[in-house]
Amino acid sequence: DAKTTQPNSMESNEEEPVHLPCNHSTISGTDYIHWYRQLPSQGPEYVIHGLTSNVNNRMASLAIAEDRKSSTLILHRATLRDAAVYYCILRVPPNYGGSQGNLIFGKGTKLSVKP
Amino acid sequence: DSGVTQTPKHLITATGQRVTLRCSPRSGDLSVYWYQQSLDQGLQFLIQYYNGEERAKGNILERFSAQQFPDLHSELNLSSLELGDSALYFCASSVGWTGEYGYTFGSGTRLTVV
Repeated sequence: DAKTTQPNSMESNEEEPVHLPCNHSTISGTDYIHWYRQLPSQGPEYVIHGLTSNVNNRMASLAIAEDRKSSTLILHRATLRDAAVYYCILRVPPNYGGSQGNLIFGKGTKLSVKP
Repeated sequence: DSGVTQTPKHLITATGQRVTLRCSPRSGDLSVYWYQQSLDQGLQFLIQYYNGEERAKGNILERFSAQQFPDLHSELNLSSLELGDSALYFCASSVGWTGEYGYTFGSGTRLTVV
């Protein structure tokens, strides 16, 4: 599976923007970039995903580099509730009957938010 | 509430025993995925079912098995339990078999083997 590299941890101040980087230099043309987060004592939560273009939703924005070798998850105004582990995942298109396509989680980035 | 229901929330059992974890997917979702999360291994994909059939297998031990029933709920059976099986077990669901629109995770079952 294609690999991603994220910083182990990051700190942010409340109500400031947060940029969480992810490197994926071995990404192929059909791999989707997915972001999930896991709050303490909870299951992972879908945040956003994209292929080539930048994406926005109510939770965050995803900025994808032109060469697709890196991406950045942007939280526009961090709150204390955003303190979590953020996972950047490359999702290979599935092949029916095969084992591709499932989300393979790495270590993620632990985001701390200071009041 | 994510819409994915896992029971029980906590389970304590002895080595050598067998347990069953249950998952009800979000309404309308046909795929169910099982993940194991331990402190040293992170989140590991175990197995996926789609509309009652096994779809993909990950790092699932032979002592573990799963199935998805006609009402789409799924059960993960863990047998001959070892101390190292202590972990959080998460179930997730998605609409189709590709999961391209994202997975919805439950809040997990914490298994402690003593």
